[in-house]
Amino acid sequence: DGGITQSPKYLFRKEGQNVTLSCEQNLNHDAMYWYRQDPGQGLRLIYYSQIVNDFQKGDIAEGYSVSREKKESFPLTVTSAQKNPTAFYLCASRDKTGNYGYTFGSGTRLTVV
Amino acid sequence: AQKITQTQPGMFVQEKEAVTLDCTYDTSDPSYGLFWYKQPSSGEMIFLIYQGSYDQQNATEGRYSLNFQKARKSANLVISASQLGDSAMYFCAMREGRGSTTDSWGKFQFGAGTQVVVTP
Repeated sequence: DGGITQSPKYLFRKEGQNVTLSCEQNLNHDAMYWYRQDPGQGLRLIYYSQIVNDFQKGDIAEGYSVSREKKESFPLTVTSAQKNPTAFYLCASRDKTGNYGYTFGSGTRLTVV
Repeated sequence: AQKITQTQPGMFVQEKEAVTLDCTYDTSDPSYGLFWYKQPSSGEMIFLIYQGSYDQQNATEGRYSLNFQKARKSANLVISASQLGDSAMYFCAMREGRGSTTDSWGKFQFGAGTQVVVTP
């Protein structure tokens, strides 16, 4: 079955470390997205990519970086510059028509220890 | 400015009863899409229902229906015959612009969500 795979499900990071969250899709979708979710809040857009080797900042891009070297993959790096990285991170994708919104992965819960 | 407003942070509903989750939105774009997602405690976001701004009829998907009142900019979700498995967080979202055009690809915003707890 097609879908989006996020790994790991849980991730612990020491302060000052960079960590990379994986997102892979086999839906042949063009666009991919990273969202951050804090407790009791909605989703906020970090970065998105419409095509390979291109990506745009979302509303809260500071302290994060991404790459899109393959259509199927859109990894997110949480850098040490992100002051409050503890959150739930969701990856999503959509195809060109997009009328039916996004397909989401199951998320990665990042905790700074 | 907040474009999607969900005013109910949480609500309890008895099994087999219907529940309405409120959502209001703000946009000046004539083309837009409205979505509802369900997020169980496991975290994944599950698509429930979609309403396009030009759709004449309210969308329905099984026990889910969307009460679309365009003039009031309201897109309430109605869940009929609630089940224990409906306990989850529910998010309203909006995509501004036509879904087929790339200028809409970055314009997808979510409300803060409503926590629904279904009781026996």
